[in-house]
Amino acid sequence: GNSVTQMEGPVTLSEEAFLTINCTYTATGYPSLFWYVQYPGEGLQLLLKATKADDKGSNKGFEATYRKETTSFHLEKGSVQVSDSAVYFCALTTIYGNKLVFGAGTILRVKS
Amino acid sequence: DAGVIQSPRHEVTEMGQEVTLRCKPISGHDYLFWYRQTMMRGLELLIYFNNNVPIDDSGMPEDRFSAKMPNASFSTLKIQPSEPRDSAVYFCASQGWGGETQYFGPGTRLLVL
Repeated sequence: GNSVTQMEGPVTLSEEAFLTINCTYTATGYPSLFWYVQYPGEGLQLLLKATKADDKGSNKGFEATYRKETTSFHLEKGSVQVSDSAVYFCALTTIYGNKLVFGAGTILRVKS
Repeated sequence: DAGVIQSPRHEVTEMGQEVTLRCKPISGHDYLFWYRQTMMRGLELLIYFNNNVPIDDSGMPEDRFSAKMPNASFSTLKIQPSEPRDSAVYFCASQGWGGETQYFGPGTRLLVL
């Protein structure tokens, strides 16, 4: 079946540090891949997405590349800020593009 | 656009009471999803609708849970009777036809005592 595995958190970094949150997936066919972010007390919002192999999604300094050969979609940011503290969810869509399958989420804490 | 609207934002009730959560999707969106988020189980899809018709309710935990979408601009998730283990944050999300991005509401934080 379809599944997403994320690195466990929490991840604690100092401001301006480099961020990587690992995400791997198992899927039938060629899913689209997403990163959603959830700030405290809010709903999830789309951070970035990629719809086919080798695509790179990017937004707000975050990037992730769709790697079919390693079935991965790792999230990276070169210099994190305190305001990036949130929970990050990796997700994929099934072949029909309706149901999202989420990873468990990774808590990111950035200290000033 | 106001985004997805959920009410109430917080609900505290006693075990055995009926709870109704409400959602207004983004205008023009054809899909509506209900999720539950807990520390133990993470984010779970409960049910989703397409054009007001329930398509997949395999995530609904048991008969105490029911969901309806009487029109394109309104959906309810009802729990009757409620139990303490139903305590969670419930999210509604909507999606446009042909799109892949789901837009989430702010959630309803439910506490059943």
